Amino acid sequence: DTAVSQTPKYLVTQMGNDKSIKCEQNLGHDTMYWYKQDSKKFLKIMFSYNNKELIINETVPNRFSPKSPDKAHLNLHINSLELGDSAVYFCASSLGTSNNEQFFGPGTRLTVL
Amino acid sequence: GDSVTQMEGPVTLSEEAFLTINCTYTATGYPSLFWYVQYPGEGLQLLLKATKADDKGSNKGFEATYRKETTSFHLEKGSVQVSDSAVYFCALSEPGGFKTIFGAGTRLFVKA
Repeated sequence: DTAVSQTPKYLVTQMGNDKSIKCEQNLGHDTMYWYKQDSKKFLKIMFSYNNKELIINETVPNRFSPKSPDKAHLNLHINSLELGDSAVYFCASSLGTSNNEQFFGPGTRLTVL
Repeated sequence: GDSVTQMEGPVTLSEEAFLTINCTYTATGYPSLFWYVQYPGEGLQLLLKATKADDKGSNKGFEATYRKETTSFHLEKGSVQVSDSAVYFCALSEPGGFKTIFGAGTRLFVKA
């Protein structure tokens, strides 16, 4: 059984479009995260949610809007896509705080043309 | 703010060689320290962790000791295998926090 799943795995789109990435975890965790990994593998936190509430928003442009309909899901919607948004986006989850092990999804490779 | 610095890669070793990947950190409190590993085309997975000074985390032959006096958490393995080829990330998280700070990652290539 997949612990943290993301869809789609690959996303190729034109500048200016709006797209969504979905994330689901079946671990019973109460905290979920979105990370962005650039082409040099640098990994940066974007958002953290605990019990469906936004806890961390790391100065991400407001074109990015996360939504957590329940504790098992954290989706990411991106408006007006730009070339610089091209990256791999990882969803992760943990039980409680980030002091505990985080489980990562397989990633979504977003390419903006 | 908190930060993590790890040695730049890539690191290229022959099978059965000794591995060290250096990691140092800056933190205001007493963070938990982690090593995560990313295999090609996959998400990160926890390799080991330590939550307080002098703790040693270990897993799959890898070890790292939380050194508060030198603010370091170096990763070591006595004999690497080709299957250890991956990107290794050092990371920290403050107690009670919801944010993990990752180092830039170190790519390891192991040749047969």
